[in-house]
Amino acid sequence: EVQLLDSGGGLVQPGGSLRLSCAASGFSFISYSMSWVRHVPGKGLQWVSVISASGLHAHYADSVKGRFTISRDNSKNTVYLQMDSLRSEDTAVYYCAKRPVVEPGAPYYFDYWGQGTLVTVSS
Amino acid sequence: QSALTQPRSVSGSPGHSVTISCTGTSSDVGAYFYVSWYQRHPGKAPKLLIYNVSERPSGVPPRFSGSKSGNTASLTISGLQPEDEAEYYCCSFAGSYTVVFGGGTKLTVL
Repeated sequence: EVQLLDSGGGLVQPGGSLRLSCAASGFSFISYSMSWVRHVPGKGLQWVSVISASGLHAHYADSVKGRFTISRDNSKNTVYLQMDSLRSEDTAVYYCAKRPVVEPGAPYYFDYWGQGTLVTVSS
Repeated sequence: QSALTQPRSVSGSPGHSVTISCTGTSSDVGAYFYVSWYQRHPGKAPKLLIYNVSERPSGVPPRFSGSKSGNTASLTISGLQPEDEAEYYCCSFAGSYTVVFGGGTKLTVL
């Protein structure tokens, strides 16, 4: 059974940093690209970032480019999201999501999701 | 990229059908056959219902179906059941490795 366990959320002040983790199990982690998607209250879901299975290729939404960094450790079956220079508008539940392919390209959907971790950016 | 437009809420009686629309532009929904739909119950992980406009993953019952016409995609749920009460989100490829989601639709089963 595919399982994705998101963790690392919490309360952080504007301008602060946080690192999210997503521990994967139940599938061959090294064979699939992974993404982060967030649920912003009142605004729905927003795609944040994607990383290839190898970890060599990554892409970001314009809203987080230059502030967030996605990475993965295939020896630990874990994907990370380093979030720096956090803003109030980054407040959301963050989900890691598995993609059905090796690279960030087609097809574009997410076949499994974690349960999410809440990030609150507030002073 | 702007979010795709979904109705805030829809409702239907058990056994009946509902359709949720998802309107984008010629740069996302209208341009690609990479529309997907997700179901989200409060506090739970979202679940993939439909991918590539109309394909169903194994385990998703055939009463969930997807379609697309022009810049608008649709999710139809037939034979409504109480457990279908949830939020539903559409998603489309928008170019350059990015995807855009809809704002979400809350389905109430009366």
